[in-house]
Amino acid sequence: NAGVMQNPRHLVRRRGQEARLRCSPMKGHSHVYWYRQLPEEGLKFMVYLQKENIIDESGMPKERFSAEFPKEGPSILRIQQVVRGDSAAYFCASSPGQARGYTFGSGTRLTVV
Amino acid sequence: GQQLNQSPQSMFIQEGEDVSMNCTSSSIFNTWLWYKQDPGEGPVLLIALYKAGELTSNGRLTAQFGITRKDSFLNISASIPSDVGIYFCAGQSDAGNMLTFGGGTRLMVKP
Repeated sequence: NAGVMQNPRHLVRRRGQEARLRCSPMKGHSHVYWYRQLPEEGLKFMVYLQKENIIDESGMPKERFSAEFPKEGPSILRIQQVVRGDSAAYFCASSPGQARGYTFGSGTRLTVV
Repeated sequence: GQQLNQSPQSMFIQEGEDVSMNCTSSSIFNTWLWYKQDPGEGPVLLIALYKAGELTSNGRLTAQFGITRKDSFLNISASIPSDVGIYFCAGQSDAGNMLTFGGGTRLMVKP
């Protein structure tokens, strides 16, 4: 039973490009969460999605960031026109329902040059 | 917004020593979680606490959910080199809601 799969593990983008981060939840999990971690800090919540629905996006920056979790396929976190400050580790987590605590993937490390 | 204060920020200890770290919150949580993160990896759940006053063990790890629901501690007994990493507390107000993370405790163990 594979865990939460994120790809790519490392992503380098030039300023102004788009970054697309993918997350495949654990089998049978329909709830996905995205978190961002800056160096030497804890994880900060970004967005909570169920299939085809955004449940809570209170942690998402108002511009350039979007997330989706389509009926088929992985959840995607999209960052348009990246800036240096977007450099961070982005983690996805999944749960089978409204769970107390959940399982994290290994993350995507985004570097903007 | 909710904030979790985690202390200490870092610890450098001798192998075999016991370790204690804690988190305090300005608001109530109904679930407390403790995670460990190794370099380049995601957080791995160590212990989950669901009731105020609950004391739970997982091998050499013991964690408690404070009576006020605003704090939690994690103890590691007889530390070993593989305990090295960053430990995070996290609070969750209700099932399905987001986790609020502490700033982490970086543990270093000298063999």
